[in-house]
Amino acid sequence: DAKTTQPPSMDCAEGRAANLPCNHSTISGNEYVYWYRQIHSQGPQYIIHGLKNNETNEMASLIITEDRKSSTLILPHATLRDTAVYYCIVRYQTGANNLFFGTGPRLPVIP
Amino acid sequence: SAVISQKPSRDICQRGTSLTIQCQVDSQVTMMFWYRQQPGQSLTLIATANQGSEATYESGFVIDKFPISRPNLTFSTLTVSNMSPEDSSIYLCSVGSGFGDQPQHFGDGTRLSIL
Repeated sequence: DAKTTQPPSMDCAEGRAANLPCNHSTISGNEYVYWYRQIHSQGPQYIIHGLKNNETNEMASLIITEDRKSSTLILPHATLRDTAVYYCIVRYQTGANNLFFGTGPRLPVIP
Repeated sequence: SAVISQKPSRDICQRGTSLTIQCQVDSQVTMMFWYRQQPGQSLTLIATANQGSEATYESGFVIDKFPISRPNLTFSTLTVSNMSPEDSSIYLCSVGSGFGDQPQHFGDGTRLSIL
């Protein structure tokens, strides 16, 4: 069973904010929400992660709903270099584990 | 974050042959992971490699087909044995602590084509 659900497709205009939603309605209290992206011909790139609170770094912001059942990744000013496949992943907080990738939508940034 | 280098970056091989992919990290890491990404698909975990112990393989992957070495805390190899066209994929090395609150990082992969 998929632990996250993302829209099958989306796009964004260059210079605009890109808002990427993710549903994780079965998330447990000890699971983090992670976002990665994969630009063509490259390995996945870590973007951001969070547990309960909203998070911001130099790449993006992560907004997690109070019930933690969904989240939104925000790229504040999308550029053509942000065109990539975006993966939303839930991951256990404790214990050795690894990332399991589902199917993420490709976000084309349109000039 | 750690800098991860994979060699070769790409290769074209004949069926029935084997290829060893190297993964070098610029700092010591606890866990190294090997993933496969078939054309147009998402990533699938092959195995987890810890130093000093045998790799742990995911369902559908076996040691005879994908032997892994982890001689130290900065290096690992994945061998794709007796290759067939179905093995044509991108093979990615990843490193991390293995704990959920710390990001895992990836190399750019080895693009493998089998003729």
